[in-house]
Amino acid sequence: EIVLTQSPATLSLSPGERATLSCRATQSVSSDLAWYQQKPGQAPRLLIYDASKRATGIPARFSGSGSGTDFTLTISSLEPEDFAVYYCQQRHFLFSFGQGTKLEIK
Amino acid sequence: QVHLEQSGAEMKSPGSSVRVSCKASGGAFSNFALSWVRQAPGQGLEWVGGIIPVFGAGNYAQRFQGRVTITADEATSTAYMVISGLRVDDTAVYYCARSAGWRSWFDPWGQGTLVTVSS
Repeated sequence: EIVLTQSPATLSLSPGERATLSCRATQSVSSDLAWYQQKPGQAPRLLIYDASKRATGIPARFSGSGSGTDFTLTISSLEPEDFAVYYCQQRHFLFSFGQGTKLEIK
Repeated sequence: QVHLEQSGAEMKSPGSSVRVSCKASGGAFSNFALSWVRQAPGQGLEWVGGIIPVFGAGNYAQRFQGRVTITADEATSTAYMVISGLRVDDTAVYYCARSAGWRSWFDPWGQGTLVTVSS
């Protein structure tokens, strides 16, 4: 089983600041990693797939990087609607998710 | 644009079974994977299992093997998940989500179905 560990658990930032979220896998997943955003009471939404490709309709302020075991989601300048929980997910062997990072307003 | 519509909330007793449905519209059904992902209250996401309708057999996370059955009806573009032997810790929102196969991403997602297990 591939376990994904996200850090930090909670990130407190202000609108306009840069957010950097991390995801680490227990073994290499190549570039088989995605990021999802989830707001309260809503289903998750695909943001980034194949580690660095933006899904349809996702703003350019969202970017993903990494390969192997270490991955990063960067939000270049936070908008009020970006405060949510973010999950990473691997598809290298079946599917598994990280435990999430809550991005909250400081 | 594919849309996934799930059945309504369920309240069940421990030891009973529940069936949740997910109806797809607006796109192809049989050649795509439909997965079920659950989220316990205040917790993260967990893949339960899924099915590619044209192949018929479900694919399950190890911890759900034998207790969860996923099927699909190609005639109605609907996937079903049955959980038997319900436990209190099965209380969760269950989402269906489509992917292009077992090596793809979840997009789109259904709206979620709350299953509450309580005595």
